[in-house]
Amino acid sequence: EAQVTQNPRYLITVTGKKLTVTCSQNMNHEYMSWYRQDPGLGLRQIYYSMNVEVTDKGDVPEGYKVSRKEKRNFPLILESPSPNQTSLYFCASRPRASGANVLTFGAGSRLTVL
Amino acid sequence: EDKVVQSPLSLVVHEGDTVTLNCSYEVTNFRSLLWYKQEKKAPTFLFMLTSSGIEKKSGRLSSILDKKELFSILNITATQTGDSAIYLCAVEGTNAGGTSYGKLTFGQGTILTVHP
Repeated sequence: EAQVTQNPRYLITVTGKKLTVTCSQNMNHEYMSWYRQDPGLGLRQIYYSMNVEVTDKGDVPEGYKVSRKEKRNFPLILESPSPNQTSLYFCASRPRASGANVLTFGAGSRLTVL
Repeated sequence: EDKVVQSPLSLVVHEGDTVTLNCSYEVTNFRSLLWYKQEKKAPTFLFMLTSSGIEKKSGRLSSILDKKELFSILNITATQTGDSAIYLCAVEGTNAGGTSYGKLTFGQGTILTVHP
């Protein structure tokens, strides 16, 4: 089944403890992106990647890192999480940045930072 | 900076009512506008609009774009409880050369609640 898989789906952690949210897609998509969703603010883009080894900042990149060493994987790294990073995170992909721009979303990862 | 504003932020109706959700936007070099439906999970795609005045339709849902006035509407007729969800509007622009720069900007979403 074509899908975007995120892990973990739920995580409670403490301030400063590094964590990684993994994202993997099996559709051979070139473009991948991370969003966070907060009440009243909609979905805000954190980082995106047009292809392997190409990443760019979105609207809210502070406190996050990403890497794109392989086409299928696009992990989101929180080096030193803080409570303001408590949010619902979505990874998404689409075939190419320049092609049809309908995103396929993962199921979401709910992160709580205490 | 690209911007999307949706209204209303929330809406409560009864089954059978018709609703209209609004999305206004500002974007550099418009490429497309998309509507998504989000229930208690990931957003799912509804419509993509690129040209003014052409209605997209899927069952009881329809949407239209006005590129001159920079807005889109999503209509749902004969609402059902299964229509209860957050409806998200997003826009994508391009660079000066017409190439997508990969950035999709979402609005805050409209929370629709349909009571039996």
